[in-house]
Amino acid sequence: DGGITQSPKYLFRKEGQNVTLSCEQNLNHDAMYWYRQDPGQGLRLIYYSQIVNDFQKGDIAEGYSVSREKKESFPLTVTSAQKNPTAFYLCASTPAPMDTEAFFGQGTRLTVV
Amino acid sequence: GENVEQHPSTLSVQEGDSAVIKCTYSDSASNYFPWYKQELGKGPQLIIDIRSNVGEKKDQRIAVTLNKTAKHFSLHITETQPEDSAVYFCAASTDSWGKFQFGAGTQVVVTP
Repeated sequence: DGGITQSPKYLFRKEGQNVTLSCEQNLNHDAMYWYRQDPGQGLRLIYYSQIVNDFQKGDIAEGYSVSREKKESFPLTVTSAQKNPTAFYLCASTPAPMDTEAFFGQGTRLTVV
Repeated sequence: GENVEQHPSTLSVQEGDSAVIKCTYSDSASNYFPWYKQELGKGPQLIIDIRSNVGEKKDQRIAVTLNKTAKHFSLHITETQPEDSAVYFCAASTDSWGKFQFGAGTQVVVTP
């Protein structure tokens, strides 16, 4: 089945540690996105990538980093510079620039302990 | 930039009744308006969408209306069922890269 796979589903991080969230898609989509979801605030865009080896900052990129070395993979690193990283993280993809329906993964819940 | 407001934040309806969620947007250049349903612990899934050249779209029990002049769009769910219970998000997009601005979400609870 085609889709987007995020792992792990739950992640615990100690303060001061960097953690990397995985996002893989087998839909052959060009564009991929990372969103952060907090209660009552909807989805906020962290980073997005339109093509391999290229990515742009979204609305809340500070404290995060990404890479896009392969079309199917778009990992997100939450660095120690992110002051409030506890949240639900969602990865999404779209098939082409002119097609705007977004397909989402199941999410990763990150908790700082 | 674009700002999307969504109301209400919670909505409780009796099974069989209708549910309506309203969103307003600020950027008149927005041209694509999707609605997503998110069940607990899962990612959002598209349930219906509408483009700016259309005023209304219907898919079985779900319909969306768009008023470009007033810059608002609404989701209508008729004959609600318990499985309709979820969080619903509206979104608006001004470009072709799917870089949406999302509303804050509406928690819908359908009671039997």
